Amino acid sequence: GESVGLHLPTLSVQEGDNSIINCAYSNSASDYFIWYKQESGKGPQFIIDIRSNMDKRQGQRVTVLLNKTVKHLSLQIAATQPGDSAVYFCAEKEGTSYGKLTFGQGTILTVHP
Amino acid sequence: EPEVTQTPSHQVTQMGQEVILRCVPISNHLYFYWYRQILGQKVEFLVSFYNNEISEKSEIFDDQFSVERPDGSNFTLKIRSTKLEDSAMYFCATTLTGREKLFFGSGTQLSVL
Repeated sequence: GESVGLHLPTLSVQEGDNSIINCAYSNSASDYFIWYKQESGKGPQFIIDIRSNMDKRQGQRVTVLLNKTVKHLSLQIAATQPGDSAVYFCAEKEGTSYGKLTFGQGTILTVHP
Repeated sequence: EPEVTQTPSHQVTQMGQEVILRCVPISNHLYFYWYRQILGQKVEFLVSFYNNEISEKSEIFDDQFSVERPDGSNFTLKIRSTKLEDSAMYFCATTLTGREKLFFGSGTQLSVL
């Protein structure tokens, strides 16, 4: 989801549950999307990416779903662990450069043991 | 996994002073980027750099900002005359070919007093 100012969306889950984090992107022409995880005091860490010619991509315990019709991206984390607690950002490629990304606001995921 | 290294981790400076933030890219990477994140806000693109030239820059990257790679290893971001609103976490990121995921450093927290 989206948020304004300092109030990031939050998601609290129990260890072992599945988590779903959502993101709405702005540019219908975007052809590359990425999910990053940011732990406190660290830089964004790549989780998974997806190109616009795909609807779904799976990694280790993570799945990204892309719905281009409604410009929506989601990240599913299976069997969430306390170490998954972090802020999760979606990002879209802006223009032709893979290095120029537009980030979303972020979602705080808290996993309770 | 290879890492992007940034120094210092924290920098406190007086308004109007010059600061230089340093980044050591992953050794064979050729494309370099600076991003910043103001507390509680999105990660924002500042500039991309390839072959000793700026490839793209955002509106944030005004004449007070400059980048260079003087010795072929360190990639630096200089802010000539810092302002209070420059206070943020600054992230360096690199890629090998410019067409794949960004590797981010842990950031430099800049505080302008």
